[in-house]
Amino acid sequence: SQQGEEDPQALSIQEGENATMNCSYKTSINNLQWYRQNSGRGLVHLILIRSNEREKHSGRLRVTLDTSKKSSSLLITASRAADTASYFCATERGSTLGRLYFGRGTQLTVWP
Amino acid sequence: EPEVTQTPSHQVTQMGQEVILRCVPISNHLYFYWYRQILGQKVEFLVSFYNNEISEKSEIFDDQFSVERPDGSNFTLKIRSTKLEDSAMYFCASSARVGTGELFFGEGSRLTVL
Repeated sequence: SQQGEEDPQALSIQEGENATMNCSYKTSINNLQWYRQNSGRGLVHLILIRSNEREKHSGRLRVTLDTSKKSSSLLITASRAADTASYFCATERGSTLGRLYFGRGTQLTVWP
Repeated sequence: EPEVTQTPSHQVTQMGQEVILRCVPISNHLYFYWYRQILGQKVEFLVSFYNNEISEKSEIFDDQFSVERPDGSNFTLKIRSTKLEDSAMYFCASSARVGTGELFFGEGSRLTVL
């Protein structure tokens, strides 16, 4: 399977703490993207990291990519209750542009 | 901010009935997609569409499914004869480019087949 797999499946933390979610995949990729989904809502793009990049930042988000280990991590610093959502990684292969392979997601709960 | 809109938000139908899900992608985007998410499962790719034709489709997208861009703004997914296992949230997405760009997703259409 070319799909990403996130861990942990669920993560529960207090406001102010950092949240780290991991993603592994099985094939070579063009890029890896992280999406957020609030319960019953659509997917919102958070950040994209290309296969030749190792780290990227956007606000409180930090994404790393290790293509040798076929893994990525998403770090949310100083989490807030409003960060409570499901977070999915999705990979895009070079030969099937626009087709994303999603993982099962990590359900993050941030307690106030 | 421009957004992808989908209608209906929820549709309940009887098995065997035809369903059309509608989407209005972001106006200057050229690539359009349908994905679905069965409750508790992964988001799965169905089909991509560019230049008025299907670019790629998954094994899920069988002869019961079709897509159309009937005018300059709408993008539709038709399920000809719904099955119980078609019950899912269907997401439309669009993008300005592929390979280096993000996909913009709509809020989804929840289809319940009874």
